[in-house]
Amino acid sequence: AQRVTQPEKLLSVFKGAPVELKCNYSYSGSPELFWYVQYSRQRLQLLLRHISRESIKGFTADLNKGETSFHLKKPFAQEEDSAMYYCALSGFNNNDMRFGAGTRLTVKP
Amino acid sequence: DAGVTQSPTHLIKTRGQQVTLRCSPKSGHDTVSWYQQALGQGPQFIFQYYEEEERQRGNFPDRFSGHQFPNYSSELNVNALLLGDSALYLCASSPWGSGANVLTFGAGSRLTVL
Repeated sequence: AQRVTQPEKLLSVFKGAPVELKCNYSYSGSPELFWYVQYSRQRLQLLLRHISRESIKGFTADLNKGETSFHLKKPFAQEEDSAMYYCALSGFNNNDMRFGAGTRLTVKP
Repeated sequence: DAGVTQSPTHLIKTRGQQVTLRCSPKSGHDTVSWYQQALGQGPQFIFQYYEEEERQRGNFPDRFSGHQFPNYSSELNVNALLLGDSALYLCASSPWGSGANVLTFGAGSRLTVL
């Protein structure tokens, strides 16, 4: 079965602290993993995808196939990072994108 | 470019009625996907259209149907509405091929079924 689990519904950190949003997945084939973000009063938008292997707004995510995880990390959180974050998965040969339930990150001043 | 546009933004229906939601994709995109997002949940994939055909479908009953037009715009139709159909319906567009999963989302249509 194709499933994405984000164990934390809410996550709160102070500005300047490291932040890690957890994502675990189950998929029988080769997965393509994404992080989407929704800032307050904005649309859901792509933050990063694992095959790009790039850092966006200071965020990185590494696909760990052994642990079936794709955790999102940032070494120094900023207040503007406060948002809803969704981990998502699809197969390379199908476009059935599955989203996790999301984690609401709050960065306190 | 206005990006992905959806209409209407809000609507209220009663059980048993039918609803049609509309979506215009971002300029340059030819693939449209529809998602249902219930309160407190992540988006759930309904189906995807490319070249006016349904290419992929999620776990939704036949009451959910769609259409894509030659200009790439799309409609989502839901028949025999149930209370549980109340949700935010998101349209997302993308280019077909390797970028099909790089989604650009619309603001959504919020459906309330009474």
